[in-house]
Order: sequence, then C-alpha cells, then structure tokens
Amino acid sequence: DTEVTQTPKHLVMGMTNKKSLKCEQHMGHRAMYWYKQKAKKPPELMFVYSYEKLSINESVPSRFSPECPNSSLLNLHLHALQPEDSALYLCASSQEGRGDYEQYFGPGTRLTVT
Amino acid sequence: GENVEQHPSTLSVQEGDSAVIKCTYSDSASNYFPWYKQELGKGPQLIIDIRSNVGEKKDQRIAVTLNKTAKHFSLHITETQPEDSAVYFCAASPMDSSYKLIFGSGTRLLVRP
Repeated sequence: DTEVTQTPKHLVMGMTNKKSLKCEQHMGHRAMYWYKQKAKKPPELMFVYSYEKLSINESVPSRFSPECPNSSLLNLHLHALQPEDSALYLCASSQEGRGDYEQYFGPGTRLTVT
Repeated sequence: GENVEQHPSTLSVQEGDSAVIKCTYSDSASNYFPWYKQELGKGPQLIIDIRSNVGEKKDQRIAVTLNKTAKHFSLHITETQPEDSAVYFCAASPMDSSYKLIFGSGTRLLVRP
C-alpha cells in the first residue's frame, strides 16, 4: 500500500483565520514532506521531516508552521495567510529523508485564501 | 545546484501512437530520476524511476532511458490511450545534502481518441 491521505480536500479561509492541514501515511516511512504547487507549475518543496525532526525549511514564511506529532502524521498550521498563498498543498512521504528514495504523494489540499 | 529542463511543454498525440518526453540535468552526480504523472485535481503519482547504474527500465507500456554522458533521460509511452492524458514531471536527485528532488517544468500530454 503506497497511500498518503490528506484532509481536508478543499479549504477556504480568510486572511485572519487559523486552520490546519493534515497528512497521514502508514507505510512505515520515516520522512514526510510538504510541497506547495501553483497552477501549471511543478511542486515546490516547503518542509522536510526526517525521523520526526524538521530537517529542511525552504525559507518558508512563519505564517506556515509544520508539526510532526509522530512518524505517521504531519500537520501544517496556517495563520494570517495572504491571497497569494492559494495553491494545492501536497504531502509526500519516503522511506528515508533523501531525494534518492521514492516519494509518494497524497492527493493534496486545495487552499483558497480570500 | 541541479537544474532540470523538460521538453516539450505540451504534446498532443493520436491514440495508439507513441509519446516521448525528454529531460536534461546539469549535475553529473545526480543518481536518481523519477517520473510522475499528475491528473487533473490529483497529486503526482510515481510511475517509473531509474537509477544512474541502469541505462533503461521498462514497465508495460512505459519505459525510461538514461544517458549519463549526455546528462539526459526520457520517458517513452507506447500505444497511448486517452487515460494517459495528464501532466508529466521528470525529476532528478543530486548527490548533495539538500535531500531535495529537483523537478522539471512539466509536460501536458493530450491523447486524442
């Protein structure tokens, strides 16, 4: 089973709201990723967690706050977002936190900031 | 750092024809090259990958070739079907501490019935 699940599927939030995106995998992978994808563009890496520790933060604004409660779960807390943050947010996982391990993506959360 | 270029940006083929998408990379130390298929409204799906110690890999109608000398790799889809219509992304993994996949810009494939 190579399934990564994400909730919610769609999210509309105002610029003053606080919301969270959730991601789960049960493949025993030790690395989990958040990507942002704008229309007609490739995924853009935001964060990498390896063995539940943040290993990469691609200079993402602090209004995005990741959390890894355990090796199967990954959250992305959102606060005071801007309209330009509207995008598809993808979660992925891999056996280890290295680019040469297969990464499996979830279906994404379509976020709209109004 | 690594840079991946992907061509063409759009590709339209008749059902049953073959489709070829090409990518070039800049870092000769890159050692892993996956291909992802992304259908409308879905996340990218890993469809095939190849490592630098292999020149070609095939899985049913899909094949990937790697030319390390020229630093390019290609995705070949034979006997295309309408359900092959999607955006395809190539990627490369450089051998550095960034742990990142570097993606190409994507190819929108349309298979005409």
